[in-house]
Amino acid sequence: IAGITQAPTSQILAAGRRMTLRCTQDMRHNAMYWYRQDLGLGLRLIHYSNTAGTTGKGEVPDGYSVSRANTDDFPLTLASAVPSQTSVYFCASSDTTGGLETQYFGPGTRLLVL
Amino acid sequence: GQNIDQPTEMTATEGAIVQINCTYQTSGFNGLFWYQQHAGEAPTFLSYNVLDGLEEKGRFSSFLSRSKGYSYLLLKELQMKDSASYLCAVLDSNYQLIWGAGTKLIIKP
Repeated sequence: IAGITQAPTSQILAAGRRMTLRCTQDMRHNAMYWYRQDLGLGLRLIHYSNTAGTTGKGEVPDGYSVSRANTDDFPLTLASAVPSQTSVYFCASSDTTGGLETQYFGPGTRLLVL
Repeated sequence: GQNIDQPTEMTATEGAIVQINCTYQTSGFNGLFWYQQHAGEAPTFLSYNVLDGLEEKGRFSSFLSRSKGYSYLLLKELQMKDSASYLCAVLDSNYQLIWGAGTKLIIKP
């Protein structure tokens, strides 16, 4: 693994189903993030984690949950998917200990909720 | 509220120069980032400005004026591979990135 990986690459999901998007990084970054990207809108932060064991809510957290059991993994769960959660989901990480907050992104998960 | 404004779309000619502007109104400022995003791919880091002035990196330069809440990304000697969306993002007082919607740059031969 080099950088950040996400799985699955894409998914079609029936409304009401539960879904977990996976994210793993091997850069030992302390901070991780989940964004959604919709046409015509900027990246919107769903949840973040500044360090293993802690999480926080972003701009659009409703309907999503996260956990950060260790440094490398940051899964995003949709408890009961709805069509408005159709989007492209990006996971990102950054090393905030050095002061520069540059975020590095995974390849994204394209989710279609029907 | 917090707001990042950039043009939706721009068109330029291969070999030319293009300037993509970004204006921002945020609660606090801890730096401004430019990212490049090719269609269907993830954003990749281009530049970071925290002090006023111009930062040059090869064909790309980024300028910041904190007093005006303004930045631009300058791309020189445009190549077809520069066709992409360019995202402006500001790190606010809570150290959260606030993103613009992006500028889609179309390069014509």
